[in-house]
Amino acid sequence: DAMVIQNPRYQVTQFGKPVTLSCSQTLNHNVMYWYQQKSSQAPKLLFHYYDKDFNNEADTPDNFQSRRPNTSFCFLDIRSPGLGDAAMYLCATSRATGDIYEQYFGPGTRLTVT
Amino acid sequence: GQNIDQPTEMTATEGAIVQINCTYQTSGFNGLFWYQQHAGEAPTFLSYNVLDGLEEKGRFSSFLSRSKGYSYLLLKELQMKDSASYLCAVCDSNYQLIWGAGTKLIIKP
Repeated sequence: DAMVIQNPRYQVTQFGKPVTLSCSQTLNHNVMYWYQQKSSQAPKLLFHYYDKDFNNEADTPDNFQSRRPNTSFCFLDIRSPGLGDAAMYLCATSRATGDIYEQYFGPGTRLTVT
Repeated sequence: GQNIDQPTEMTATEGAIVQINCTYQTSGFNGLFWYQQHAGEAPTFLSYNVLDGLEEKGRFSSFLSRSKGYSYLLLKELQMKDSASYLCAVCDSNYQLIWGAGTKLIIKP
């Protein structure tokens, strides 16, 4: 089945220790998104890629970086996690931008910072 | 600024009907989505409205009034598995999704 996969599902890291979250998709979608979602809050868009074109949201902290080496994979790097970065991180894909396309979400990675 | 408002929490009884409201103020409008999110899981797509009126899909229906900046999701014949958060999201003029915080729906037997 075509899908969006995120690894790991649960990640524990120490304060200040870099961590990388990964996302892969078999949908062959052009657009990949990274969202941060805290409990009972709306998903917050961090960045998105249209193919290799990177789009950073204005309020995304510099602590968050992303890489998309190819169509299928996308990574979220948190360089120095703080306690406030503990959240669910959701990867999503869609066919394109500039039109209305449904976003397909992966199962998420729950990040704990100790 | 852009704003999506939904009730924080609602409670309903198994077998009943519930209506979850969403009001929005966004820069431009290219449609409204409803997603379902079970606790600890990713959102899954339920419906999309871009024209005024009611879209029916089985037990779920979604309504849109663009002039009022208003939508609702109607769930009929509630089942225990419908206990989840329901997220309203508007596609703005830049084709970005603006998300509400979600409505947690609790179903009681």
